[in-house]
Amino acid sequence: GEQVEQLPSILRVQEGSSASINCSYEDSASNYFPWYKQEPGENPKLIIDIRSNMERKQIQELIVLLDKKAKRFSLHITDTQPGDSAMYFCAASGGNYQLIWGSGTKLIIKP
Amino acid sequence: EAGVTQSPRYAVLQEGQAVSFWCDPISGHDTLYWYQQPRDQGPQLLVYFRDEAVIDNSQLPSDRFSAVRPKGTNSTLKIQSAKQGDTATYLCASSFYGGHGQNTLYFGAGTRLSVL
Repeated sequence: GEQVEQLPSILRVQEGSSASINCSYEDSASNYFPWYKQEPGENPKLIIDIRSNMERKQIQELIVLLDKKAKRFSLHITDTQPGDSAMYFCAASGGNYQLIWGSGTKLIIKP
Repeated sequence: EAGVTQSPRYAVLQEGQAVSFWCDPISGHDTLYWYQQPRDQGPQLLVYFRDEAVIDNSQLPSDRFSAVRPKGTNSTLKIQSAKQGDTATYLCASSFYGGHGQNTLYFGAGTRLSVL
């Protein structure tokens, strides 16, 4: 079945710099790619998503890129702040509309 | 708008005991999901419903886990004879499908289960 690979598992960046998380998927029918942020003890919350009819989407400091040919999508956080420290999960939804989740990236913002 | 409501927030059991988790999705959401999230791992789908019908329960350990959504609104996930390996947070999420494909999942606060 569909798998989503997410890398890196841990990412440490200096405050103010950019952070990038990469995901790849297998099912060419996947058409919806959300990103969730989960803070300790909290539930996952959607922060940005992109559909297959787009290649790029930006919401404030969050940028998502989608390369359908390569079956890859990525999250870029510009000008990182301490509040960006959290677990980030990518996911992909295929033809059966079921979300397949990546294994998560722990983002640590160093002061 | 009220979010996804789950109860209880915490549960502590001895092995072999049973427990039920309850979820009230966002009003109007036809799709409801139960996920298991072990510590430091991503959410793993157990089962999901569209209205009252089970769409996929292939990851639900059927010998000890059961889930129902009888009226297509609230849902209950039950573990009979819990094992230590069931220790995790159980997340309920809902979304509106409406025949138009995948849409945003909204998660409840989760139930943290510890099996001693």
